[in-house]
Amino acid sequence: SQTIHQWPATLVQPVGSPLSLECTVEGTSNPNLYWYRQAAGRGLQLLFYSVGIGQISSEVPQNLSASRPQDRQFILSSKKLLLSDSGFYLCAWKSSKGAKQYFGPGTRLTVT
Amino acid sequence: AQSVTQPDIHITVSEGASLELRCNYSYGATPYLFWYVQSPGQGLQLLLKYFSGDTLVQGIKGFEAEFKRSQSSFNLRKPSVHWSDAAEYFCAVAGNTGTASKLTFGTGTRLQVTL
Repeated sequence: SQTIHQWPATLVQPVGSPLSLECTVEGTSNPNLYWYRQAAGRGLQLLFYSVGIGQISSEVPQNLSASRPQDRQFILSSKKLLLSDSGFYLCAWKSSKGAKQYFGPGTRLTVT
Repeated sequence: AQSVTQPDIHITVSEGASLELRCNYSYGATPYLFWYVQSPGQGLQLLLKYFSGDTLVQGIKGFEAEFKRSQSSFNLRKPSVHWSDAAEYFCAVAGNTGTASKLTFGTGTRLQVTL
């Protein structure tokens, strides 16, 4: 069966520090991968998606970047965090032939 | 562009009462529609989905939703709410063309259940 992992689960970082959040998927190959952010009291916003290794599409201009160095690994990064980067970050995967997205447990990021 | 509206930010119901959470979507063709549930501090769990066919879809935990094309709605229902249903519920729409199938979420409805 397929599983999706995210780490860390919780992170507190000072403003201006770098960020790296990791998402990995097991039990499937060539998935579509997605990064969402959920700010406090708001819905989910799609940040990035990837349909293959090295292929990244950005949905909104921001302080973050994404990379997909391996087929089942998706990384969210920032060189310098802003207070507005605080939120709950969710990774999701989808089969390239399906429509259902499956979500990871999320990472709660607090920028102080 | 696709969009989703969940007009109710917060709903409170008594345990055992019926529930209906509203969702309206905007999409140029027949969409894929989803309801997800999020418990505090957790990721999202898929409750049910509509792709095509029967417009009344059954999901997990006793939930169902009805797709009404004429009203561009996909409301979530449950005949008898349990205290464990307290959570935040998100409606989402995905386009059915292309491989990316990006999901667009509503802002969510927080459900509180009183005993």
